[in-house]
Amino acid sequence: GENVEQHPSTLSVQEGDSAVIKCTYSDSASNYFPWYKQELGKRPQLIIDIRSNVGEKKDQRIAVTLNKTAKHFSLHITETQPEDSAVYFCAASKGGNKLTFGGGTRVLVKP
Amino acid sequence: DSGVTQTPKHLITATGQRVTLRCSPRSGDLSVYWYQQSLDQGLQFLIQYYNGEERAKGNILERFSAQQFPDLHSELNLSSLELGDSALYFCASSSRTAGVKNEQFFGPGTRLTVL
Repeated sequence: GENVEQHPSTLSVQEGDSAVIKCTYSDSASNYFPWYKQELGKRPQLIIDIRSNVGEKKDQRIAVTLNKTAKHFSLHITETQPEDSAVYFCAASKGGNKLTFGGGTRVLVKP
Repeated sequence: DSGVTQTPKHLITATGQRVTLRCSPRSGDLSVYWYQQSLDQGLQFLIQYYNGEERAKGNILERFSAQQFPDLHSELNLSSLELGDSALYFCASSSRTAGVKNEQFFGPGTRLTVL
């Protein structure tokens, strides 16, 4: 089955700097790659997603890139703010099926 | 608010007991997914239902079962509970036509503590 690896597991950045989280997946048939943000004790919230027919997608300060050949995708957060502090999860799926999640990245934005 | 509701928010019970977690998907969503989040296992897919039928199974224990009712709400039943079953259980739903839109929206979760 699908396996998703996520790095780093923790990331500490200074406010205003950029943060980058990287994921690799194993199943070349996966075609949907969402990113979720989860605050302590709360639900995972979808922040951005990308489909396999697109190489990059941006939404304000966040962007996701996908390299299908290498089977990896990344989340980029620019101009980080303290409210960006949370755990971020990448995931992969094919069709409208289950999500396979990476292990998560704990991001701390220091003011 | 994602539009997905889950009850109860918290559940504390003893080993060997049985509990039922309930999920109501977003209006019109036909697919419901259950995920377990524990400290050492991350977010793990348990089971998916689509319009009342089981669609996919993940790492779901035989002690666990689920169903989706005609009104599309879903229940996850956990029996013969063990300490290791303590976790956050999330339900997610996705939109009307499975495979066309993939976005899954998560409910607030049920925190299960087994003592």
